[in-house]
Amino acid sequence: DAGVTQSPTHLIKTRGQHVTLRCSPISGHKSVSWYQQVLGQGPQFIFQYYEKEERGRGNFPDRFSARQFPNYSSELNVNALLLGDSALYLCASSLMEGSETQYFGPGTRLLVL
Amino acid sequence: DQQVKQNSPSLSVQEGRISILNCDYTNSMFDYFLWYKKYPAEGPTFLISISSIKDKNEDGRFTVFLNKSAKHLSLHIVPSQPGDSAVYFCAAPYGQNFVFGPGTRLSVLP
Repeated sequence: DAGVTQSPTHLIKTRGQHVTLRCSPISGHKSVSWYQQVLGQGPQFIFQYYEKEERGRGNFPDRFSARQFPNYSSELNVNALLLGDSALYLCASSLMEGSETQYFGPGTRLLVL
Repeated sequence: DQQVKQNSPSLSVQEGRISILNCDYTNSMFDYFLWYKKYPAEGPTFLISISSIKDKNEDGRFTVFLNKSAKHLSLHIVPSQPGDSAVYFCAAPYGQNFVFGPGTRLSVLP
């Protein structure tokens, strides 16, 4: 059984550019959450999507947006990249909204120069 | 405002001995807690969880203890193995969010 997959694994962008990160949840899981992990810190919640609707949003600027598709995969978009956006972006899936356990993908490491 | 705290950034333990990782929380609404393990270049992997109606949960070498009155939980690994070397995160679901601690890097020395 495939776990959560994310693409790309690594990405280098320059300030002001836009980036799209992709996530496919575990088969049967309907909820996808996005997290940003900066070195030395725990993952910080960005968004949760369930049944294609945004169910929660963390304390991130409007430059961050996301969507979930009918097959439950998801994209995270970040516009007008800043140096401080350099981080590991993690996608997690869970069976339902409010599930007590989330399963994480390997992450996309974004470097903004 | 850090609702989940892991005050030890790192811990070194000899192989075969017990590893004890600690986590404190401030939000009394938290009623479920998880531990995740993270290797470099991988996402966090779910390890073990505990509900607030219990004070202990055991799974093989891993045991999590919860002290609700102290708002403290701990993860015990015994015996520790070199493959346990990783960053361990304590987390609590809260609404649509999971709140994570900053992590503790465990090094198990052979």
